[in-house]
Amino acid sequence: GENVEQHPSTLSVQEGDSAVIKCTYSDSASNYFPWYKQELGKGPQLIIDIRSNVGEKKDQRIAVTLNKTAKHFSLHITETQPEDSAVYFCAADTGTASKLTFGTGTRLQVTL
Amino acid sequence: GAVVSQHPSRVICKSGTSVKIECRSLDFQATTMFWYRQFPKQSLMLMATSNEGSKATYEQGVEKDKFLINHASLTLSTLTVTSAHPEDSSFYICSARDREGYSNQPQHFGDGTRLSIL
Repeated sequence: GENVEQHPSTLSVQEGDSAVIKCTYSDSASNYFPWYKQELGKGPQLIIDIRSNVGEKKDQRIAVTLNKTAKHFSLHITETQPEDSAVYFCAADTGTASKLTFGTGTRLQVTL
Repeated sequence: GAVVSQHPSRVICKSGTSVKIECRSLDFQATTMFWYRQFPKQSLMLMATSNEGSKATYEQGVEKDKFLINHASLTLSTLTVTSAHPEDSSFYICSARDREGYSNQPQHFGDGTRLSIL
């Protein structure tokens, strides 16, 4: 089955700096890659996603890049703000079973 | 759009009690809903896939008689934890996927139910 690795497990940045979270996946059949933000005591919130026919997608301060050959995808947050502090999860979906396989999560802390 | 409501948000009950958790898609129809379990500071673990009008598909190691799933309509799935014991205490989260569009439609999550068994 699919295996998704996520790094780093914790990330501390100063307000205004950029944050990058990286994921790798094992199943070359995976073709959909969402990113979720989870705040304490809440469910994950979809913040951006990318499909395998696209290499990059951007939404304001958030961008995701995908390298299918290397089976890597990354989340980039620019101009970080304290409200960006949360746990971020990457995930991969092969489409056939349509089940998401989640990474282990990155706890992002944005300090003033 | 794409709002998923999960209820209750928190349950505290005695050992041996059965607990029902509801998951509703408020502004879209969901042929498929998913139930996850999350331990503190860990990732989400898929328990089962709930399909409207048919039996749920359980992941390996998840007891189907322990975790009963019903998906009777396109907007409602329920998870019942039967005869709950302290080891069932956890954060349970549902998600729903819109039936329209791509085969890989995004999953939208509820805000979870924190279950505490005394």
